[in-house]
Amino acid sequence: GDSVTQMEGPVTLSEEAFLTINCTYTATGYPSLFWYVQYPGEGLQLLLKATKADDKGSNKGFEATYRKETTSFHLEKGSVQVSDSAVYFCALSDRERDDKIIFGKGTRLHILP
Amino acid sequence: GAVVSQHPSWVICKSGTSVKIECRSLDFQATTMFWYRQFPKQSLMLMATSNEGSKATYEQGVEKDKFLINHASLTLSTLTVTSAHPEDSSFYICSAHSGTGLNSPLHFGNGTRLTVT
Repeated sequence: GDSVTQMEGPVTLSEEAFLTINCTYTATGYPSLFWYVQYPGEGLQLLLKATKADDKGSNKGFEATYRKETTSFHLEKGSVQVSDSAVYFCALSDRERDDKIIFGKGTRLHILP
Repeated sequence: GAVVSQHPSWVICKSGTSVKIECRSLDFQATTMFWYRQFPKQSLMLMATSNEGSKATYEQGVEKDKFLINHASLTLSTLTVTSAHPEDSSFYICSAHSGTGLNSPLHFGNGTRLTVT
């Protein structure tokens, strides 16, 4: 079945460092891909999404490109801030099937001042 | 590993009836659970935060009298869609933190597909 695999955390970086959180997926159809973020004490929020191959989602300085050839949707940010400390979830939703959303296990990010 | 079980996985009901969805943490206690709704071809929307032993915290725009949440024990939260209408048809998913504190790992149920006819 469909699945999402993302790098295990925690990931600890210094402020202004470059961030990459890897995410790969397995799907039989043509899924939409998402990154969600959960700040401490809060529920999930949509960070960005991409609905077809080569689309780039971006928000708050974060970017991710839908790579069909490598089945990847890696999250990147050029210069992280302490306020980016959170848990990041990669997810897919297969439009060709029942549209059920499937999450990765999450990656905890710590940014040190 | 920690598991969150959601039941039923799908349900079809008639307009005007009520439907209850259960979210259970199978091998851990969860003082906080989150309920989400996914509209077709759209991203997840947080509906409410369920707190064990106290009232749920609803997000703006979510009708608390329509979507009743009960978190009566440390392993069970329920979402009841009252007087369901076709526009309530959606995919509902819950999540819960294992361990203590809101920084502990978050686990998701497999979701419930609700269809109101």
